[in-house]
Amino acid sequence: GAVVSQHPSRVICKSGTSVKIECRSLDFQATTMFWYRQFPKQSLMLMATSNEGSKATYEQGVEKDKFLINHASLTLSTLTVTSAHPEDSSFYICSASGGPFETQYFGPGTRLLVL
Amino acid sequence: GNSVTQMEGPVTLSEEAFLTINCTYTATGYPSLFWYVQYPGEGLQLLLKATKADDKGSNKGFEATYRKETTSFHLEKGSVQVSDSAVYFCALRNGGGNTPLVFGKGTRLSVIA
Repeated sequence: GAVVSQHPSRVICKSGTSVKIECRSLDFQATTMFWYRQFPKQSLMLMATSNEGSKATYEQGVEKDKFLINHASLTLSTLTVTSAHPEDSSFYICSASGGPFETQYFGPGTRLLVL
Repeated sequence: GNSVTQMEGPVTLSEEAFLTINCTYTATGYPSLFWYVQYPGEGLQLLLKATKADDKGSNKGFEATYRKETTSFHLEKGSVQVSDSAVYFCALRNGGGNTPLVFGKGTRLSVIA
């Protein structure tokens, strides 16, 4: 099946620094990618929808200047957490739509810990 | 709006027991319905899906039937294994590939030997 990778899988950073998370579709082209955030023992919260070559659409309550999303190609989307704070610590998961049935394939997630 | 409600866990079963995780949805139109599974420390994997009423999705012994009349998509398995221990998410998508999924809160399943 289709594969979506995320890098890094785990990152620890100091408060105030920026962290970039990459999401790649390895064997298919994805015109649309999604970024989710998951708190411990909770469901996935959609943060934004990313379309290749255009600005991301953010969900209500998600700060677009804090969570910068770039979808520069059909196989790569990046999420940059700017000036990270401890409350940004979370599990970030991306997904990409592709294939004949436009199934959403999920990446393995990135665990961010801000100290 | 679109929403998914699934039974709250955690659910603890003995090996070989029958599993049912209830899921109901609210949506306009005719959404596609999905079950995803998340193993500890990992991302989500698609378990099964159904795209229209009365469709039955099945995979790895799990199955779920799209019931439009009851707006439900309950997940079942006849005999669970310890390796089925995970969190299960019911989700819907009301549109094409550029439409995000709407998830339920997830149900944690623990299977004990």
